[in-house]
Amino acid sequence: DVKVTQSSRYLVKRTGEKVFLECVQDMDHENMFWYRQDPGLGLRLIYFSYDVKMKEKGDIPEGYSVSREKKERFSLILESASTNQTSMYLCASSLWGSSGNQPQHFGDGTRLSIL
Amino acid sequence: QQQVKQSPQSLIVQKGGIPIINCAYENTAFDYFPWYQQFPGKGPALLIAIRPDVSEKKEGRFTISFNKSAKQFSLHIMDSQPGDSATYFCAAGGANNLFFGTGTRLTVIP
Repeated sequence: DVKVTQSSRYLVKRTGEKVFLECVQDMDHENMFWYRQDPGLGLRLIYFSYDVKMKEKGDIPEGYSVSREKKERFSLILESASTNQTSMYLCASSLWGSSGNQPQHFGDGTRLSIL
Repeated sequence: QQQVKQSPQSLIVQKGGIPIINCAYENTAFDYFPWYQQFPGKGPALLIAIRPDVSEKKEGRFTISFNKSAKQFSLHIMDSQPGDSATYFCAAGGANNLFFGTGTRLTVIP
């Protein structure tokens, strides 16, 4: 069965800290995504990657960066955490091909609080 | 701007009722329209999806109706059950990225 695992379910960090969110998928998928989910706003794409070391900005990349050194692992980095980055973060993966017309498989999310 | 508009924001129905959730999009290049179901504490899970070459797709109690000319699609849940209580997201995508609606919180009362 498809499995996307996010390393932390809950995380509390302080303003200004550098924060790492990790995601691993076991499906040999080429595409991986990071979204944030906020009430009333749905899911918004932060970054996606279509191959190792490749990345593309999504709709809201400001304040974030990503790293993909291995096919199965995709990391989201908050360079200097701010309170407006308090949110639920969701990782997803999909097969090779267009990033917008393939089924995406999601992890269970990391609820991040920035104090 | 919101690429996909979803309504209603919340919906309460009695067990056995048929909740309907509606979505609209603008970009005619979109060619993939999935619906995701999310339970509290879980990530969204793909429920059903449709491509624009058909006007309807059924999987069990879940049906997508698709109107290409109106650029609208909707999810119908037949014989709804309390276990269907969840948040539902529509989405639309094409060559570049999948865009999600803002979600509908469905409550099915026993």
